[in-house]
Amino acid sequence: GENVEQHPSTLSVQEGDSAVIKCTYSDSASNYFPWYKQELGKRPQLIIDIRSNVGEKKDQRIAVTLNKTAKHFSLHITETQPEDSAVYFCAAYTLSNDMRFGAGTRLTVKP
Amino acid sequence: ETGVTQTPRHLVMGMTNKKSLKCEQHLGHNAMYWYKQSAKKPLELMFVYSLEERVENNSVPSRFSPECPNSSHLFLHLHTLQPEDSALYLCASSQGLARWTGELFFGEGSRLTVL
Repeated sequence: GENVEQHPSTLSVQEGDSAVIKCTYSDSASNYFPWYKQELGKRPQLIIDIRSNVGEKKDQRIAVTLNKTAKHFSLHITETQPEDSAVYFCAAYTLSNDMRFGAGTRLTVKP
Repeated sequence: ETGVTQTPRHLVMGMTNKKSLKCEQHLGHNAMYWYKQSAKKPLELMFVYSLEERVENNSVPSRFSPECPNSSHLFLHLHTLQPEDSALYLCASSQGLARWTGELFFGEGSRLTVL
């Protein structure tokens, strides 16, 4: 089955700096890669996703890039703000399996 | 109520107790899921139901027993749990299986502590 690895497990940045979180996956048939944000004590919520026919997708300050050959994808947050502080989860899945998540990255944005 | 609601939000139980977690979705979705969230570990998919039929069961111990009486409700029955089962249990729903349609909508979770 699919195995998703996520790095780093914790990340601390200054407000205004960029943050990058990386994930790798094992199943070359994976075709959908969402990112979820979970604020403290709250539910995970989808913030951006990308499908395998696209190399990059951007939504305001967040972007996701996908390298299918290397089987990795990354979340980029620019101009970070304190409200970006949360745990971020990547996930990957194929048409035959439901979502497998990474272990999460705890992002702290220091004001 | 909108979205996905879970009850109870917190549960403490002994190893010999029997309890149940409840999930209700108000989104008109037809697929529902149970995930286990433990500290510093990936979200673990436990069960998937589509149109009230179980479609995936990821080698979960039999002390966890799911029930999906209709497309809006999902239960997780707990019996003879172990301390290592202490975790946040998240329910989610999607319109169609998420593997095909994308987004999962999560509840806020039930925090389970097994003494």
